[in-house]
This record gives sequence, C-alpha cells and structure tokens, in this order.
Amino acid sequence: SAVISQKPSRDICQRGTSLTIQCQVDSQVTMMFWYRQQPGQSLTLIATANQGSEATYESGFVIDKFPISRPNLTFSTLTVSNMSPEDSSIYLCSVYGGQNYEQYFGPGTRLTVT
Amino acid sequence: GIQVEQSPPDLILQEGANSTLRCNFSDSVNNLQWFHQNPWGQLINLFYIPSGTKQNGRLSATTVATERYSLLYISSSQTTDSGVYFCAPGGYQKVTFGTGTKLQVIP
Repeated sequence: SAVISQKPSRDICQRGTSLTIQCQVDSQVTMMFWYRQQPGQSLTLIATANQGSEATYESGFVIDKFPISRPNLTFSTLTVSNMSPEDSSIYLCSVYGGQNYEQYFGPGTRLTVT
Repeated sequence: GIQVEQSPPDLILQEGANSTLRCNFSDSVNNLQWFHQNPWGQLINLFYIPSGTKQNGRLSATTVATERYSLLYISSSQTTDSGVYFCAPGGYQKVTFGTGTKLQVIP
C-alpha cells in the first residue's frame, strides 16, 4: 500500500482566487492521479501526472484552470485557478500501490468557494 | 467511455444483516476495484478484482468479466460498514467510478 498526505485538509476561499493543493506519497510512484468529488457525487478524474512530462487532462478539464506540477516521484501539486462556487468540492490525490493496479487515496482537500 | 451503474443507490440495513451490492459496466475491463468511502470522506481500497472471487473477512467480491458485472457481499453488517461503496472498472491507465451505493447500518 501507499501512505498519502494532502495539504491543506480544508480551505474556504473567495471567488476569483487560486488554491494550490499538495500531495505527498511515502514511496516513489510513476503515476499520480487527481480527482474531484462534487458534493454528494462520485469521483471524476481531472488528470494523470507522470514525473517529467506534462499532465494528461480528461475531457472537461483544462490546464489553465487546473495546472499540475510533478517535480519528483513522491510529490505533486494541483492548483485550482480563478475559483468560482462551482469549484467547491473535495479534491483527492491517488496513486497505484501494491503488486497490482490497486489505487490508494489521500484524505482529500475540502474546498469551499464563497 | 465506459458506463458504470451501481445498485441499489441507497440501502439501510439492520446490524447483523447481509447484503449484496451490484456493479454493471458497459465495456470489457482489465481492472476493477471496490472502494469504501467512510462518513469522514476517506476512501479505502477493499478489493482489486478484475475477475474471479476474493474474500476479506466479512466482505467478499466476485467479478464476472465476460458478463460485465461485479458483486460485493457484506455479511453480518456492522455500523462501521456505513458509508458509500464505489466500484471502479477500467484499464491500467484509468478507471471510471460508479455512482455508488450509500449504505446505512443501524444498531
């Protein structure tokens, strides 16, 4: 398995501002995933981040809105830019761990935009 | 993309009861996982089960890949089983989360 931490755990932000979320893993991993979970909804993949290359974004998500950095094999950041109330969600970082393609999740960042 | 349906959407159980959660998916997959999201939001990986049957304590899961469905069995339910259960089928690069089954176990 993998132990994942995220910062901040929660934040309340004003519209128009940006927030950077950090994800730290206790082991080196090739792929890191960023998900969004809107209130009462399922998880939606935002992008996949590989070290040393540009992140791959899913349909409906763009780099200008959700820039991602992946400076090394244990760390990644997701920025939510020019926030609006619709960005209020839980943002989760995930990695593969174990022998198979089992995914493990960080505790999430609860973002409220006012 | 792959379509994922979970049933039932909501379930209330008396403590000690058994239940079966179902996940139907539209395409062939080589990756399928079951997760439990507890009331505090933490996601726990329960099973990696692209095919066959696995058991872990009171929980077991079966995936019939040729028929594109997976089942999660919960026996002798406890209040700590409450939360949302997600299945996530897909490939090695990406999985798609289902809509979830919200389970409430009452004492």
